[in-house]
Amino acid sequence: GEDVEQSLFLSVREGDSSVINCTYTDSSSTYLYWYKQEPGAGLQLLTYIFSNMDMKQDQRLTVLLNKKDKHLSLRIADTQTGDSAIYFCAESGNKLVFGAGTILRVKS
Amino acid sequence: DAMVIQNPRYQVTQFGKPVTLSCSQTLNHNVMYWYQQKSSQAPKLLFHYYDKDFNNEADTPDNFQSRRPNTSFCFLDIRSPGLGDAAMYLCATSRGGTLGEQYFGPGTRLTVT
Repeated sequence: GEDVEQSLFLSVREGDSSVINCTYTDSSSTYLYWYKQEPGAGLQLLTYIFSNMDMKQDQRLTVLLNKKDKHLSLRIADTQTGDSAIYFCAESGNKLVFGAGTILRVKS
Repeated sequence: DAMVIQNPRYQVTQFGKPVTLSCSQTLNHNVMYWYQQKSSQAPKLLFHYYDKDFNNEADTPDNFQSRRPNTSFCFLDIRSPGLGDAAMYLCATSRGGTLGEQYFGPGTRLTVT
């Protein structure tokens, strides 16, 4: 079945890079997604990567995909306090399946 | 601004008392979803509407129902809420061809007393 796993918590200092990791199981997923959830808010799509790509860069965000190992990562460069949130990895077969989320805490 | 709106943001109901949560959208998306999210857990898809077609997840309890009277509105009905149904309920929308690109509302936090 589909399953997505993420580490629960990451703490970084402002200005450092953050790397959030995710593993997934559904090799048929066409796209893989990163969503962000701020306190008291719904999820917001941050970025996504097509399954035949290895890397996608979007301003401060870099997504790396290792399809062989079914490993996805999100790197946030120059992390700011406003980046503090919960980050969800998701795979899409016939529906979105989310991981439990990684809490990113940015210390100033 | 085009958006997904959920009302109310906070809902308190009594054990066993039916409750309805509302979602509306101005995006004109043809797919609408309801998710249940418990603390520190992944959002769990309950069901979705693709236009007027209702699609229930296999493990969604019968206690949960949904209605979509038109493109803009979708309702989640919980017929007899139990203490285990206390959660954040998220509504989301997408265009039919991009099921992974979903737009979420802010959620309704349901408390069951």
